[in-house]
Amino acid sequence: QVQLQESGPGLVKPSQTLSLTCTVSGGSISSGSYYWSWIRQPAGKGLEWIGRIYTSGSTNYNPSLKSRVTISVDTSKNQFSLKLSSVTAADTAVYYCARFRLGQLWRFDYWGQGTLVTVSS
Amino acid sequence: EIVLTQSPGTLSLSPGERATLSCRASQSVSSSYLAWYQQKPGQAPRLLIYGASSRATGIPDRFSGSGSGTDFTLTISRLEPEDFAVYYCQQYGSSPELTFGGGTKVEIK
Repeated sequence: QVQLQESGPGLVKPSQTLSLTCTVSGGSISSGSYYWSWIRQPAGKGLEWIGRIYTSGSTNYNPSLKSRVTISVDTSKNQFSLKLSSVTAADTAVYYCARFRLGQLWRFDYWGQGTLVTVSS
Repeated sequence: EIVLTQSPGTLSLSPGERATLSCRASQSVSSSYLAWYQQKPGQAPRLLIYGASSRATGIPDRFSGSGSGTDFTLTISRLEPEDFAVYYCQQYGSSPELTFGGGTKVEIK
């Protein structure tokens, strides 16, 4: 059974960089069949796709966040990570990592439980 | 940018009733890239439907998806108590590569 687990600080100061890691178990992050993604959800609001990385290291980001986002992968640790710079209160949200399955029919098939990140001084 | 508009925003129904949720895209979306998710409070979203009409593993057959092009529908044939939740559609396509609809909340009447 594939499992994803987010980890990182729950509190980040404004203007600093938010850093989260997603650890994947039960499957290899090196598989060529998936995009590894980050999604966030402010309290009481909908889901916002942040970006994704492929095992090759190729990335794609939401244009609305692109200037501040970096997603990287560490295949040796079966992890991928998110960095979001220059954060403000608007970046306060639950952050999810998820596996996006490629192939004939594309979808998010596994999600982490989510981690709340609060931006506050 | 493809925008997904879900309607209604809130659906108030009783257990046993039929729920029909709409997801309209601002441009045509390939059915292969349209999925639906269910989210309950404090939980991560759960995949219900992918490829517009294929049920995910373990999803009861009271859930069904249909549609093509710009109009997609999620139908819950008879609402069970555990079905009251928020539902999101999602598409994969052009920049941004992936978008979600704003969600439909199905609440108990």
